[in-house]
Amino acid sequence: NAGVMQNPRHLVRRRGQEARLRCSPMKGHSHVYWYRQLPEEGLKFMVYLQKENIIDESGMPKERFSAEFPKEGPSILRIQQVVRGDSAAYFCASSGGESYTFGSGTRLTVV
Amino acid sequence: GESVGLHLPTLSVQEGDNSIINCAYSNSASDYFIWYKQESGKGPQFIIDIRSNMDKRQGQRVTVLLNKTVKHLSLQIAATQPGDSAVYFCAENKGSGYSTLTFGKGTMLLVSP
Repeated sequence: NAGVMQNPRHLVRRRGQEARLRCSPMKGHSHVYWYRQLPEEGLKFMVYLQKENIIDESGMPKERFSAEFPKEGPSILRIQQVVRGDSAAYFCASSGGESYTFGSGTRLTVV
Repeated sequence: GESVGLHLPTLSVQEGDNSIINCAYSNSASDYFIWYKQESGKGPQFIIDIRSNMDKRQGQRVTVLLNKTVKHLSLQIAATQPGDSAVYFCAENKGSGYSTLTFGKGTMLLVSP
């Protein structure tokens, strides 16, 4: 069991570019969660998805951010027209029930 | 000792001591609580969880205590080891039936040999 796989581990984007973060959940898990972590802070919930459905996106900014979890393939968190304030670690977690397993995260740096 | 400054609260202990990390939560409706350990450059790692119908749960070298009256959660680590050095987060769900988590700000545990 490979666990929750996130890629890339590190991503550098210039202001105005798009960032795509990928998350493959653990085998058999159909629930995916995205969290953002700023330096020396706790994780902040962004969005919760099940296959092909967004269940809760109450933590996601209304503009520039979108997420999907297609029937086939990984979940994608997409950030359009990135700004410096988007620099953070983005963590994905998956669950098949109540407890989560987190991936190692993608560290996004906007220059 | 424990200190709170501009950055993460930090708890410094000697190897072999017992450590207690505290967390206050705000949502009375939360019924599921989890402690996570996060090492530098890694994702959060599950340590132990507890439901609101319990006030204590023990794992291997770790104990979680829940006081719903004052909305307080603590993590006790017995015989702390250098490998326990990390940032520890408590997390709570939004309430029964909710699976999204609200994380606390974290406490850094530093263990000296």
